[in-house]
Amino acid sequence: SQQGEEDPQALSIQEGENATMNCSYKTSINNLQWYRQNSGRGLVHLILIRSNEREKHSGRLRVTLDTSKKSSSLLITASRAADTASYFCATAEWSSNYKLTFGKGTLLTVNP
Amino acid sequence: GAVVSQHPSWVICKSGTSVKIECRSLDFQATTMFWYRQFPKQSLMLMATSNEGSKATYEQGVEKDKFLINHASLTLSTLTVTSAHPEDSSFYICSAWTTSGRHEQFFGPGTRLTVL
Repeated sequence: SQQGEEDPQALSIQEGENATMNCSYKTSINNLQWYRQNSGRGLVHLILIRSNEREKHSGRLRVTLDTSKKSSSLLITASRAADTASYFCATAEWSSNYKLTFGKGTLLTVNP
Repeated sequence: GAVVSQHPSWVICKSGTSVKIECRSLDFQATTMFWYRQFPKQSLMLMATSNEGSKATYEQGVEKDKFLINHASLTLSTLTVTSAHPEDSSFYICSAWTTSGRHEQFFGPGTRLTVL
């Protein structure tokens, strides 16, 4: 079954607003990571949160992890047009040699 | 930060030909490299895990004879798409994992393959 299901699939907001994306997963994980991908480009690692952590911050990014609900959220505050991209969560399982399983992604559009 | 390169960045080939894509870790040694495929507007799907000096481990549904992977050194893995067909057209992305203690994979910029 699919790990890392994000919602919403698409999100359109105005510059300056906050954007929240959610991710759910099904199995036990070692860590959960969020990536960003601009159209047709490679992935940029945003943040990693370990299974024993509940919240992590990096600049305008805030990630939470609830292992009891098997879910995570990515909050981007004070969004900018340059934040327009697809955002993916990815889970690394304990038993999988650090294979990452990606969710379907959220396409974020920040309108100027 | 760790840098991973891919070559070529894009390639167009005729149906039936083979295409080789290189993935290099430029400033670190990667024990393990991963190959992903991404179709338009979709997520990344893991194709195979490549460990230096050993045979690659393919995910279910991925034909190992069609997608040949060689991980000859700690800094280079290659993916060869053999007898490519239009349905193989996709964005291929590699990543490298280092055993330095960090738990993240470093991704290459991707290779756009178009098979005519």
